[in-house]
Amino acid sequence: DIQMTQSPSSLSASVGDRVTITCQASQDINNNLNWYQQKPGTAPKVLIYDASTLETGVPSRFSGSGSGTDFTFTISSLQPEDVATYYCQHYDSLPPYTFGQGTKLEIK
Amino acid sequence: QVQLVESGGGLVKPGGSLRLSCAASGFIFSDYYMSWIRQAPGRGLEWVSYISGSGTTIYYADSVKGRFTVSRDNAKNSLFLQMKSLRAEDTAVYYCARVANFDYWGQGTLVTVSS
Repeated sequence: DIQMTQSPSSLSASVGDRVTITCQASQDINNNLNWYQQKPGTAPKVLIYDASTLETGVPSRFSGSGSGTDFTFTISSLQPEDVATYYCQHYDSLPPYTFGQGTKLEIK
Repeated sequence: QVQLVESGGGLVKPGGSLRLSCAASGFIFSDYYMSWIRQAPGRGLEWVSYISGSGTTIYYADSVKGRFTVSRDNAKNSLFLQMKSLRAEDTAVYYCARVANFDYWGQGTLVTVSS
């Protein structure tokens, strides 16, 4: 099974800061990676799919990059409404489609 | 618009059974693989199961294999998760999701396993 290692587990940053989260797969997953945002009491929402494609309607301050085993999620200018927990997930080949452990993002 | 609505959650005793449903609308249900994902209180996301559009290809997480059964009724645009031999560690919000990059999720249904 493919393991997904996400870091950091928590992050505190100021409004306007650039925020970066990383996700490492235990083997090559091509670009078959999602980044999700989850706010308390709600279902996860896909922000980025195929590692770098922005989902329709998602603000352009969100971006994803990487390939193979190493991936990065970036918020270029943190906004108050971005407070949430963020997850990566692979969907390469066959299940299990493992999630990263999550990154809880707070405003400093 | 695409909509997924889960139901069937509730309180069940350890060793008990429960059947979750997911009603789909707004897309051609039989064209899509579907998945169940769960989230224990205060914890991260755990992929649970996956079923092809025809229902012939099915996968489970090791944590539920042999106890959970996923199925679908394409005529009724519905996805199911039959859960038996439930344990305290199965307590979670259960989400159904469309497996096209997991682009649509339901709102979730809470399953609580407790005596």
